[in-house]
Amino acid sequence: AQRVTQPEKLLSVFKGAPVELKCNYSYSGSPELFWYVQYSRQRLQLLLRHISRESIKGFTADLNKGETSFHLKKPFAQEEDSAMYYCALLIRNQGGKLIFGQGTELSVKP
Amino acid sequence: DSGVTQTPKHLITATGQRVTLRCSPRSGDLSVYWYQQSLDQGLQFLIQYYNGEERAKGNILERFSAQQFPDLHSELNLSSLELGDSALYFCASSNGGGISNTGELFFGEGSRLTVL
Repeated sequence: AQRVTQPEKLLSVFKGAPVELKCNYSYSGSPELFWYVQYSRQRLQLLLRHISRESIKGFTADLNKGETSFHLKKPFAQEEDSAMYYCALLIRNQGGKLIFGQGTELSVKP
Repeated sequence: DSGVTQTPKHLITATGQRVTLRCSPRSGDLSVYWYQQSLDQGLQFLIQYYNGEERAKGNILERFSAQQFPDLHSELNLSSLELGDSALYFCASSNGGGISNTGELFFGEGSRLTVL
């Protein structure tokens, strides 16, 4: 079965501390993973995709096929990073649907 | 605004009723996706349409149905509503569908449905 799991509902850190939002997936095919973010009063939007191997707003995520994980990391959290973060898996052979984890709320305290 | 638009923003109705949620995709986008977000379930994929045809189905109840019209807007119909159907329903669009899907979806602001 295809599944995305984000074990933490809420992650609270202080400004300047490192952040790691966990994401694990279950998928028999070749995984394509994404992180989406929803800031307060804004729409859900793409943050980054694993295939691009990019750093966006200081965030990076590495796909680890052995551990079936795609954790989102940032070395120094900022208050403006406070938001809801969703990990997502693209299932191409089923119409290209995107399935999401349950989300992790990141709260960065001053 | 050429982004994804959803109407209505808020809807309150009673159990047993039927409602229709409407979504207009971004200009040029051919795929429309519907998601349900409830407090304990996160974002649940319901259904996807590409250029008028159903492409993928998720955990969509038989009481729910959707379609995409020739002008590419989509409607999600929810019938015989139950208390548990109360949720935020998101529509998203993308240019591609199937193997051409880049994985980048553009979301609307959602329609909040409350069933009393």
